[in-house]
Amino acid sequence: GDSVTQMEGPVTLSEEAFLTINCTYTATGYPSLFWYVQYPGEGLQLLLKATKADDKGSNKGFEATYRKETTSFHLEKGSVQVSDSAVYFCALQDIQGGSEKLVFGKGTKLTVNP
Amino acid sequence: GAGVSQSPRYKVAKRGQDVALRCDPISGHVSLFWYQQALGQGPEFLTYFQNEAQLDKSGLPSDRFFAERPEGSVSTLKIQRTQQEDSAVYLCASSFKGQAQETQYFGPGTRLLVL
Repeated sequence: GDSVTQMEGPVTLSEEAFLTINCTYTATGYPSLFWYVQYPGEGLQLLLKATKADDKGSNKGFEATYRKETTSFHLEKGSVQVSDSAVYFCALQDIQGGSEKLVFGKGTKLTVNP
Repeated sequence: GAGVSQSPRYKVAKRGQDVALRCDPISGHVSLFWYQQALGQGPEFLTYFQNEAQLDKSGLPSDRFFAERPEGSVSTLKIQRTQQEDSAVYLCASSFKGQAQETQYFGPGTRLLVL
């Protein structure tokens, strides 16, 4: 079945450091890929998405590129801020599998220190 | 406008009790999804609806779990004879047209603790 694997956390960085959170996927079809973020005390919200190979999703300084050849969708940010502290989830949606459901990774907790 | 709302936000149940969790999706949203999130894990799909039709219930872990959306708006997830392993956060999400690649908007979740 479809699955998503994220790098294990937690990740602790200093402000202005470079961030990479790795995400790879397995899917039977040609999925759409998403990054969701969960800030402390808040619900899940979409951060960015990409729907086809080589697409780059971006938002709030975060970027991720859909790499079909490596089945990856790594999240990057050039300079993190304290306010980026949250749990980040990589997810896929494989409509060809017959459902609109999202399949999530386990999440990576990011803490950014001033 | 208002986002997805869920009630109650917290529920404590004794093992063996039945519970009902409510989800109010964003007005006009066609698709509604239920996910279960165990502590320290990512959300796992339970079931979803397009309007009142339940199109996929493959993620429901047992026949103790039942979901309905009779008028194509509000949905209820019912868990009968709760067990300790049912303790989790139950998330509801909705999307507008029920099409591929659409954003799913999540509610704040209901945290269920079974003692």
